Amino acid sequence: DGGITQSPKYLFRKEGQNVTLSCEQNLNHDAMYWYRQDPGQGLRLIYYSQIVNDFQKGDIAEGYSVSREKKESFPLTVTSAQKNPTAFYLCASNAQRSVTEAFFGQGTRLTVV
Amino acid sequence: DAKTTQPTSMDCAEGRAANLPCNHSTISGNEYVYWYRQIHSQGPQYIIHGLKNNETNEMASLIITEDRKSSTLILPHATLRDTAVYYCIVRVAEFLVGGNQFYFGTGTSLTVIP
Repeated sequence: DGGITQSPKYLFRKEGQNVTLSCEQNLNHDAMYWYRQDPGQGLRLIYYSQIVNDFQKGDIAEGYSVSREKKESFPLTVTSAQKNPTAFYLCASNAQRSVTEAFFGQGTRLTVV
Repeated sequence: DAKTTQPTSMDCAEGRAANLPCNHSTISGNEYVYWYRQIHSQGPQYIIHGLKNNETNEMASLIITEDRKSSTLILPHATLRDTAVYYCIVRVAEFLVGGNQFYFGTGTSLTVIP
């Protein structure tokens, strides 16, 4: 089935370590997005990519990095520079040049101890 | 930044219609209104979207005012499984340099009461 897959669902890391969250889609979508969600809060945009080898900062990009080497993949690295990395991370994709909805993965819950 | 305003929370009796309002007074002519919902600790789920005409699908109806400054999502017969956070989003559909990304606010937490 077509869809967007995030892995792992739960991730634990020690403070000071970089960690990479995976996001893969087989929907042939051009655009991909990363959001962060904190308890009781809405989704905040971290990074987005409209096309392979190009990406743009969202509202809260500091302490994060991304790459878009393949259309299907948009991994997010949470670096040691991110002050409060513990959060729920959501990846999404959509067909850029249309009114179609964005499809979301099931999220990765990152806990830094 | 999110361009919409929604009430923080609402209750609805099971079996009754749930009417969720959204204010988007600064909406542009080329921006669509989208509704998503999120059940706890899951990815948001698409519900419906529209430009200026009212829309209906198997999940809900979307009523957009004539001036497009506000809209209402209607769940015709709410069930306990409709308890979720509902997000109203405005977004352009055309490809734009710099993106036409989805901006989420804090949404409305809907509780369906038995």
